[in-house]
Amino acid sequence: EAGVAQSPRYKIIEKRQSVAFWCNPISGHATLYWYQQILGQGPKLLIQFQNNGVVDDSQLPKDRFSAERLKGVDSTLKIQPAKLEDSAVYLCASSNIGTGLMNTEAFFGQGTRLTVV
Amino acid sequence: SQKIEQNSEALNIQEGKTATLTCNYTNYSPAYLQWYRQDPGRGPVFLLLIRENEKEKRKERLKVTFDTTLKQSLFHITASQPADSATYLCALHLGGFKTIFGAGTRLFVKA
Repeated sequence: EAGVAQSPRYKIIEKRQSVAFWCNPISGHATLYWYQQILGQGPKLLIQFQNNGVVDDSQLPKDRFSAERLKGVDSTLKIQPAKLEDSAVYLCASSNIGTGLMNTEAFFGQGTRLTVV
Repeated sequence: SQKIEQNSEALNIQEGKTATLTCNYTNYSPAYLQWYRQDPGRGPVFLLLIRENEKEKRKERLKVTFDTTLKQSLFHITASQPADSATYLCALHLGGFKTIFGAGTRLFVKA
């Protein structure tokens, strides 16, 4: 079974520039997550999709971050404009969770390491 | 305030010994708790899940306990090996769709 695919693996941009990350979840997984992981910290949920609907984006800085999930499959996360404090690893994960069912494990991609200079 | 605490200092143990990692939480009532392993430059990998009505869960050399009274989970690796060296994250599922991760504990197993 193919895992969660993310690209790019690394990205270096200057502050105030924009950047986009792409994620392709495991086939058939209805739930997709974007996490931000700052060095030395645990992953922090930015946004969670159930199919192509948003179920939690309470920690997404909506003035600069946006995300969409096209047709309930692939997803993109965008930052515009980037700040120095956005330097982190951006992890995409998916799980086979259905509405009303107990959550199951999340499968993570390798992440995109973003450096804002 | 609500928080999850994992040993911030790295745990160094000798090969063959049992590693014990701690996850403490306050002000949460998780429906279940998960443990993940994360290697440098990689995403977390799921290891074990334990529900609030379960006291203990085992998988090969791994054992997890869950004490909802103490608000604590312990994660044990028996007969540890250098290949077990990694960061271990606990994650609390709070109900609905919400899961929160701890900062993780780095484990080093010396040969």
